Amino acid sequence: ETGVTQSPTHLIKTRGQQVTLRCSSQSGHNTVSWYQQALGQGPQFIFQYYREEENGRGNFPPRFSGLQFPNYSSELNVNALELDDSALYLCASSSTENTEAFFGQGTRLTVV
Amino acid sequence: GQQVMQIPQYQHVQEGEDFTTYCNSSTTLSNIQWYKQRPGGHPVFLIQLVKSGEVKKQKRLTFQFGEAKKNSSLHITATQTTDVGTYFCYFADKLIFGTGTRLQVFP
Repeated sequence: ETGVTQSPTHLIKTRGQQVTLRCSSQSGHNTVSWYQQALGQGPQFIFQYYREEENGRGNFPPRFSGLQFPNYSSELNVNALELDDSALYLCASSSTENTEAFFGQGTRLTVV
Repeated sequence: GQQVMQIPQYQHVQEGEDFTTYCNSSTTLSNIQWYKQRPGGHPVFLIQLVKSGEVKKQKRLTFQFGEAKKNSSLHITATQTTDVGTYFCYFADKLIFGTGTRLQVFP
């Protein structure tokens, strides 16, 4: 167990809807990163938060947004869902940006 | 999105055979990490390499960082069925995962 928990584990949404995914980081970790992993692909970096501030962003449109809270837990919000948003969404926490990342189990999002 | 090519993409081996995956960058890296993802699971950290030419071993796994800090390899000696999964390299300073090498081990 990594101590990183994500909720929900599975989710089915309709195209055009909005979704919020949640992540509780490991105790003592102030950095949270979010990734999208399509089937058979490597994880794609969405964005990273460090002490409640966005600290880097991948090549994802603005409808992907996030938050980090004072307790370092985090949310990923996706608006106007598209079919291609169907993927496993992974959250990873670390003590700084460049150290070992501990991944949660992921949220499997299906957009129909 | 940007990804780094790992080779091979797939590798099927007989239990007891060796396995190697390679990861290459076009630019110099400050460090490289390796992760393993079992089928249906999430990536799990294996190792971080920082120094030029660094070699680290974990039981049957040997990790190497190139002298120019642009490439890395993971070698597994005498594979076991428990080694099944996808192995990813990760460039932490660029926040990029490799495309992964999926290893299948036949008993």
